[in-house]
Parts: sequence; C-alpha cells; structure tokens
Amino acid sequence: GENVEQHPSTLSVQEGDSAVIKCTYSDSASNYFPWYKQELGKRPQLIIDIRSNVGEKKDQRIAVTLNKTAKHFSLHITETQPEDSAVYFCAASIRSGGYQKVTFGTGTKLQVIP
Amino acid sequence: SAVISQKPSRDICQRGTSLTIQCQVDSQVTMMFWYRQQPGQSLTLIATANQGSEATYESGFVIDKFPISRPNLTFSTLTVSNMSPEDSSIYLCSVDSTASTDTQYFGPGTRLTVL
Repeated sequence: GENVEQHPSTLSVQEGDSAVIKCTYSDSASNYFPWYKQELGKRPQLIIDIRSNVGEKKDQRIAVTLNKTAKHFSLHITETQPEDSAVYFCAASIRSGGYQKVTFGTGTKLQVIP
Repeated sequence: SAVISQKPSRDICQRGTSLTIQCQVDSQVTMMFWYRQQPGQSLTLIATANQGSEATYESGFVIDKFPISRPNLTFSTLTVSNMSPEDSSIYLCSVDSTASTDTQYFGPGTRLTVL
C-alpha cells in the first residue's frame, strides 16, 4: 500500500519567517495530495490541495509544490503568523473503487514564535 | 463543504464495554470514512462505509471489533467493541466532498478514554 513520509516532525520559526514541510510518497498511482491543518483539540481542516497534473499551487501565504518524478511534495508557508501554529498533515490519495483512499503523513508540529 | 457532527464528543468508558459513535451529515454523501487518531499520532483509516453495502476494512481492523452501520446517505455509526485501554483515541468520521469526490472533510471527532 501507499506509504507517506513527512519531515520534519517539529518545526519552530520566528514570526514572519517561512516554513517548509516536505513529504514523499511511494505509489506512483497517487493522484491527489491534500494538506490538513489540525489545531489542538480540533478536527483536521483542509488548507490546500494539488492534483497530479499540476506542479504548483498557491493560495495567499500558502503554496504547495509537487514533483511526480521524485514522488515528493512540499508545503510552503510564507510570512508566518502565530495563528499558523498547529500540526500539519500531508496526504497522498489513490482512486480505488470509486473513491479516493487517503494515506496521511506522520505530521509536523509547527510553532511560530512571536 | 458539508456540515458534519459526531456524538458523543467525548466519553470515558470501562474496559470490556462497547461504545457507539454517531456521524451525521447535513447533505447526502456517497462515501463516509472512519479514522482513528491515537494520542499525538497521525490519522489511520479504519474502514470505508458505502450506503447499502458492507463496510470495507483496512488491514489491522476487523468487523467484530469495529462494526459499522450506514443506513442512509447522511448517517453512519462506528462501534468500538470490548474496549481496552489501547482503544483510547480520537475517532473521526469524514465524508467526500459533494463538489469533488477527491476531497475529504472531517467531523469534530469523538475523544474516547478507556479505563
């Protein structure tokens, strides 16, 4: 099955700096890559996603890049703010039986220091 | 996105008992998913529930331990049976988006503690 690795497990940055989280996946059939943000005690919330036919996507301060050849994708957060502090999960999904089967990475705890 | 609710939000249970968690969606969805999130860990898919058919379980999860119902397109239940302290986790349901079946949205979760 699919295996998703995520690094780093923890990341501390100064407010205003950039943060980068990297993930790799194993199954070349994966075609959809969502990123979720989970604040303490809350549900995971989708923040951005990218499909396999796209190399980069940006939404305000958040961008995601995908390298299909190398099977890795990354989340970039610019001008970080304290409210960006949370656990971030990358995921890779494969269409199977009419739905997307999602495999999550191990998570990155981001701390933005004011 | 759909509005998803879960009941109960949290519970403390005794070893050997069972707990049924409910997941309600405000719109019809094709697929509903149940995940487990152990303390400080990532999300692991337990099973996928499609209305009108048996749930599909992932490796390591069995129907006797985690029976699932999906009686209609807006509702599902997950039962955690014969609980042990190792079952202490957050259990989350998710649904695929009505706009895009690629995207999953999560319910608020049920925090279960087994003593």
